[in-house]
Amino acid sequence: GAVVSQHPSWVICKSGTSVKIECRSLDFQATTMFWYRQFPKQSLMLMATSNEGSKATYEQGVEKDKFLINHASLTLSTLTVTSAHPEDSSFYICSAIRGARWETQYFGPGTRLLVL
Amino acid sequence: KNEVEQSPQNLTAQEGEFITINCSYSVGISALHWLQQHPGGGIVSLFMLSSGKKKHGRLIATINIQEKHSSLHITASHPRDSAVYICAVKETSGSRLTFGEGTQLTVNP
Repeated sequence: GAVVSQHPSWVICKSGTSVKIECRSLDFQATTMFWYRQFPKQSLMLMATSNEGSKATYEQGVEKDKFLINHASLTLSTLTVTSAHPEDSSFYICSAIRGARWETQYFGPGTRLLVL
Repeated sequence: KNEVEQSPQNLTAQEGEFITINCSYSVGISALHWLQQHPGGGIVSLFMLSSGKKKHGRLIATINIQEKHSSLHITASHPRDSAVYICAVKETSGSRLTFGEGTQLTVNP
């Protein structure tokens, strides 16, 4: 089956630093990837849609200057949390659509971010 | 009212019991996903349905498009089935998924 990886799996950083999270589709090309955030005891919340070679589309309320998304290749999208603060501590999950099959999304294992 | 509603929110069962988790939605969809999230957080896609019924091992998923309802069944439940089960729908238009709030399942030995 299709595999999506994320790196790192967890990260602890100091307030004010920037953190980059990678999402890779290992055995397929993904023109579209999604970034989600999940707070404890809550469901996934879509942050942005990442399209290869173009600017990401952000959901309402998500600051695009704070959460920088780059989808430079068909197998890699990155999310950079700039000037991280404790309230950014969360579980970040990516998913990828295989080719043009919009109905099928493959999820990454997630990245747990703790900002001190 | 959420577009995707799951019931129950929490479910505790004894090992071996038959389990049903329900999902109702209010929008037109092209596909429905059942996802499993373990305590560590990683998400596994269990099923993607657009009609009928699918079976994988002890898991069965059904969907009734007319009634806008789907069920996930687990036969002969096991403690390792303990997880959060999430229903997500892909609306007919657009590419995003809309998620239910999840059902926390605990299976006791």
